[in-house]
Amino acid sequence: NAGVTQTPKFRILKIGQSMTLQCTQDMNHNYMYWYRQDPGMGLKLIYYSVGAGITDKGEVPNGYNVSRSTTEDFPLRLELAAPSQTSVYFCASSFNPGGDGYTFGSGTRLTVV
Amino acid sequence: AQSVTQLDSHVSVSEGTPVLLRCNYSSSYSPSLFWYVQHPNKGLQLLLKYTSAATLVKGINGFEAEFKKSETSFHLTKPSAHMSDAAEYFCVAPSGYALNFGKGTSLLVTP
Repeated sequence: NAGVTQTPKFRILKIGQSMTLQCTQDMNHNYMYWYRQDPGMGLKLIYYSVGAGITDKGEVPNGYNVSRSTTEDFPLRLELAAPSQTSVYFCASSFNPGGDGYTFGSGTRLTVV
Repeated sequence: AQSVTQLDSHVSVSEGTPVLLRCNYSSSYSPSLFWYVQHPNKGLQLLLKYTSAATLVKGINGFEAEFKKSETSFHLTKPSAHMSDAAEYFCVAPSGYALNFGKGTSLLVTP
């Protein structure tokens, strides 16, 4: 039982480059999320999805895009990377977020130089 | 939307002494609340959750939290700290379809 799988674990990007952070879950959860974590700031919600084909912005969506074509996959796209996007990114999924909380992936550490 | 405030950004305790990590929530009704733990360079793990069934909630690794409506608090405690408890702890509340995370409390355990 893999849970939530994120790839890659580490990445260094140059300013202006683009990349996709992959996230897949095998628990048939409808709810999926992308957060970024910066020191001393907790986790900030970037985008979330309540099911295949449905996505919505979170607190800090600028500079990111998402899609949800299947229940399992929820990739996060960074276009024109900026140093402000240097962060640790976590994907999470849930069957019932208010009652069960999340299952998290192991994170992607991204550095933009 | 539900929000939480973690009252201490850093807490330092000696091994074997009690741990208290403080969290206040904002709501006019009894919410569900969570504590998550993140060990260095690791992902986040659910420590315990409150969902109105009982005010005292037991979690993993000997941690407990008590929901106090009169104080709008959900403090995390452990009777005796272990070196392996050194980590970042997050108090979390639901907000719409997502969860809101506090800014975290870094727990340092000294020998």
